[in-house]
Amino acid sequence: NAGVTQTPKFRVLKTGQSMTLLCAQDMNHEYMYWYRQDPGMGLRLIHYSVGEGTTAKGEVPDGYNVSRLKKQNFLLGLESAAPSQTSVYFCASSYLGQYEQYFGPGTRLTVT
Amino acid sequence: KQEVTQIPAALSVPEGENLVLNCSFTDSAIYNLQWFRQDPGKGLTSLLLIQSSQREQTSGRLNASLDKSSGRSTLYIAASQPGDSATYLCAVDMKGWGGKLIFGQGTELSVKP
Repeated sequence: NAGVTQTPKFRVLKTGQSMTLLCAQDMNHEYMYWYRQDPGMGLRLIHYSVGEGTTAKGEVPDGYNVSRLKKQNFLLGLESAAPSQTSVYFCASSYLGQYEQYFGPGTRLTVT
Repeated sequence: KQEVTQIPAALSVPEGENLVLNCSFTDSAIYNLQWFRQDPGKGLTSLLLIQSSQREQTSGRLNASLDKSSGRSTLYIAASQPGDSATYLCAVDMKGWGGKLIFGQGTELSVKP
């Protein structure tokens, strides 16, 4: 079992560029989540999904879009990157909402 | 609005010491509480999950307790080792929120040989 994997591990973008972060899990989990982690702000939920084909907004969704076309994949998109989106992005999954969450290794994104 | 606080922000102890990490939350209507470990530059690893109906959970040298009425949880680490050095985060899951966790800022633990 690979668990939760994230692609890419590092990325540098210029302001206004777009990109997609890919999260994949092989545990057949229903729920998937995208968080960002910033110094002094802790981890904050961006978007989440409670099953294939569903998405919902979290605490800080502005500037991001997500899609869950397949149960094992959860994509996070930045349409027009801004320096404020410089952060470490973590994906997580859980069997159902009330079960423990398993995290990926993170993607470090810098927007210049 | 739920707020989760972890004090202290950093802690340094000698190897072998028993220690307690604290987590407090402002709204007691939680579904469960999770403790995580994060090593530098890495993702989070789940250590223990306590359901709101439970008082404590144990895994090896780790013991987590939960007092919902007072809005507090503690993570007890017995016989600390240098390999325990990491940042420890607690997170609460509010009822009906479908697993959306609210995190504390974490306690950075350093265990000196």
